[in-house]
Amino acid sequence: QKEVEQNSGPLSVPEGAIASLNCTYSDRGSQSFFWYRQYSGKSPELIMSIYSNGDKEDGRFTAQLNKASQYVSLLIRDSQPSDSATYLCAVNIAADSNYQLIWGAGTKLIIKP
Amino acid sequence: ETGVTQTPRHLVMGMTNKKSLKCEQHLGHNAMYWYKQSAKKPLELMFVYNFKEQTENNSVPSRFSPECPNSSHLFLHLHTLQPEDSALYLCASSQMGEKLFFGSGTQLSVL
Repeated sequence: QKEVEQNSGPLSVPEGAIASLNCTYSDRGSQSFFWYRQYSGKSPELIMSIYSNGDKEDGRFTAQLNKASQYVSLLIRDSQPSDSATYLCAVNIAADSNYQLIWGAGTKLIIKP
Repeated sequence: ETGVTQTPRHLVMGMTNKKSLKCEQHLGHNAMYWYKQSAKKPLELMFVYNFKEQTENNSVPSRFSPECPNSSHLFLHLHTLQPEDSALYLCASSQMGEKLFFGSGTQLSVL
């Protein structure tokens, strides 16, 4: 069974600090990795995608991928109360099928003012 | 309108009712999806349509019946649902599987 694991949280981080969210996946053949943010009562929205080992930065967000250890993480610098949401990790398990994402259950992040 | 439009936002139905969820995407994408989201569980992919042809059906019970008349419209027909089917149902679209755009979802309650 192909799985994506996330700590459900809640993860509480003070405003201005770095929030670190982690995700592990079971399929070594996974090719693409995504972080979605879901505010309470809203639908998920893509905030980061990463395809190769290393770091990818976009504003206050950094995605980190380590295929050897099968984990992907999301760092949020200078955390703001507006970052409070559930963060979903999604993994594309097949290189020839871009339509099959496996999802984690999400980590709830709370930024305390 | 832009993006992915999903109606209704909320739906309460009895187990003997028949209802339909509607989704429309204005992004020119080639793929459309139905997902089920239950509390504290991962998103469950139900159906995928690629160029209006169904490419995935993840062992979804037959009481859920999808319909995709064209690349912009997607329906989910519901009949004789069970209380455990109560969940948030999300429609999404993408271009060649990259970057899913979700609709606002339908919060379904089955009594």
